[in-house]
Amino acid sequence: ETGVTQTPRHLVMGMTNKKSLKCEQHLGHNAMYWYKQSAKKPLELMFVYSLEERVENNSVPSRFSPECPNSSHLFLHLHTLQPEDSALYLCASSQGLGRYEQYFGPGTRLTVT
Amino acid sequence: DQQVKQNSPSLSVQEGRISILNCDYTNSMFDYFLWYKKYPAEGPTFLISISSIKDKNEDGRFTVFLNKSAKHLSLHIVPSQPGDSAVYFCAAIPNSNYQLIWGAGTKLIIKP
Repeated sequence: ETGVTQTPRHLVMGMTNKKSLKCEQHLGHNAMYWYKQSAKKPLELMFVYSLEERVENNSVPSRFSPECPNSSHLFLHLHTLQPEDSALYLCASSQGLGRYEQYFGPGTRLTVT
Repeated sequence: DQQVKQNSPSLSVQEGRISILNCDYTNSMFDYFLWYKKYPAEGPTFLISISSIKDKNEDGRFTVFLNKSAKHLSLHIVPSQPGDSAVYFCAAIPNSNYQLIWGAGTKLIIKP
């Protein structure tokens, strides 16, 4: 595997379900990110981890819970989501924080019913 | 309120011609700008960047121009090729931070 991978690619879940999104980077990077992309809207940064420490939490509802067990893996745990949470969730990594290029995974298309 | 605006949701250009994608920003603290390209079912990929100390950066067929006084940047692709058909995102970073602030994207369609 190369680059940034995300699983699953598609997820349909009910509002009472609990699920997790997984991201793995094979680039030796130190920073990882979760973004949300809704239709025709800019990417919204949700969480940032640097060296496995969370450095940013952009007013994201607590029904989204990130986890970074090591510098290669990032999870987004989901519970009691709302239909408006349906979106494309993108993971990215970069060499560090700052003016570094971010490498993105293909995203997880989430539908909340 | 969007700090980075891409006012054209889509743009159609003939193959071989120049494609010009525009981006406007409102925050004068932005000092680094990037363009990303996104194909369907893939994540965005980095294309080209420019620092605010420059007004032009070129990489092959891609050139980014920055007009700080107008708070405007543009991406020129010449000549345009069918593989350039994608959504192009403009993003900016403020000098006090590392967070990318993104535009909503412009869908570029290259007609054969």
